[in-house]
Amino acid sequence: GNSVTQMEGPVTLSEEAFLTINCTYTATGYPSLFWYVQYPGEGLQLLLKATKADDKGSNKGFEATYRKETTSFHLEKGSVQVSDSAVYFCALSRSGGSYIPTFGRGTSLIVHP
Amino acid sequence: DAGITQSPRHKVTETGTPVTLRCHQTENHRYMYWYRQDPGHGLRLIHYSYGVKDTDKGEVSDGYSVSRSKTEDFLLTLESATSSQTSVYFCATYTGTETTGELFFGEGSRLTVL
Repeated sequence: GNSVTQMEGPVTLSEEAFLTINCTYTATGYPSLFWYVQYPGEGLQLLLKATKADDKGSNKGFEATYRKETTSFHLEKGSVQVSDSAVYFCALSRSGGSYIPTFGRGTSLIVHP
Repeated sequence: DAGITQSPRHKVTETGTPVTLRCHQTENHRYMYWYRQDPGHGLRLIHYSYGVKDTDKGEVSDGYSVSRSKTEDFLLTLESATSSQTSVYFCATYTGTETTGELFFGEGSRLTVL
């Protein structure tokens, strides 16, 4: 079945550091890939997505490229801010009529001034 | 913003009492979901709905029931709350195609069972 594996956190960085959060997946068919972000005390919200191989999703300075050959969708940002402190979830869509995305367990990011 | 409102936002209850959490949406989305979030487990799907009166179980449905009598409302009921059901509960709706659509989440309901 489908699965998503994320690097365990927390990831702790200083402000302006480079961020990478790894995400790999197992899936049948041609899923879309997503990154959701959860700020403290809030629900998840979509950060970016890519719907086919080699697509790059981007938003708020974050980027991720859909790599079918390595089954990966790593999240990157060139210069993190304190306000980026949150939990990040990688997810993939599921085909077959279920409309139920598969989520990774989430990676906590802590950015220090 | 998909206009999702969860109530109550916080609740403390005793073991063995019934609890109902309500999710209300204003966007007329067909699909609605209840998740629970616990440290070390990420998000886990409890139940979901694909239309009025159409619901199905998720991966952690034991001890929970749901009802959807109107498109806009999706209720989660704990018939007899247990301490293991202490968690943060999130409602979500889905919009878009099966493979490219996205989830919209409410702000969560924190439930403590003593």
